[in-house]
Amino acid sequence: DTGVSQDPRHKITKRGQNVTFRCDPISEHNRLYWYRQTLGQGPEFLTYFQNEAQLEKSRLLSDRFSAERPKGSFSTLEIQRTEQGDSAMYLCASSLATSGSPNTGELFFGEGSRLTVL
Amino acid sequence: AQKITQTQPGMFVQEKEAVTLDCTYDTSDQSYGLFWYKQPSSGEMIFLIYQGSYDEQNATEGRYSLNFQKARKSANLVISASQLGDSAMYFCAMSHLMDTGRRALTFGSGTRLQVQP
Repeated sequence: DTGVSQDPRHKITKRGQNVTFRCDPISEHNRLYWYRQTLGQGPEFLTYFQNEAQLEKSRLLSDRFSAERPKGSFSTLEIQRTEQGDSAMYLCASSLATSGSPNTGELFFGEGSRLTVL
Repeated sequence: AQKITQTQPGMFVQEKEAVTLDCTYDTSDQSYGLFWYKQPSSGEMIFLIYQGSYDEQNATEGRYSLNFQKARKSANLVISASQLGDSAMYFCAMSHLMDTGRRALTFGSGTRLQVQP
């Protein structure tokens, strides 16, 4: 399977614990995105990387959230001291796009990591 | 600020009939892109169709077409000959410039489509 893969698919944790999600993008894609989707809503942009550089972070990304893409391949999203409001689906997407184009490039999404904070 | 509005939380359509899902947008960008994605119950977002703001022709991809009316800032998705497998959430999205000059996608709240046999 050469699509975007995310791990774990489901995570249940207690409030205050740390969780980490991993995303493996399509191998030749240079851009990687993290989105958060709560029930009944569309995905909300969190952050994106071009290669290993984190180029943009949404105001939604509090200081408890940190994302890395150390070698420009896979990425991790860590949430520290989880809160019940963090419960959501965390979607990763990748694309191959040139800068300045209005078409960000078709985003290829993974199936998401669903987080439940008790 | 950029905004995508999908006013239909849910839609029903009979199998083999056509259905239109509404999307309106607001942006101050001169150059932007409009997308539709499908999200089945498995959770994966599947790209359906793209329309550039300077494209004069409406985009088509198989049974999907995008009715782009720039002056009205609408980008409705038309699905022809609905199939049971079309039952899913559908999201309209727009690429826009962030403060840094880079682009990201903003999504609407979605429309749940149910195709009835």
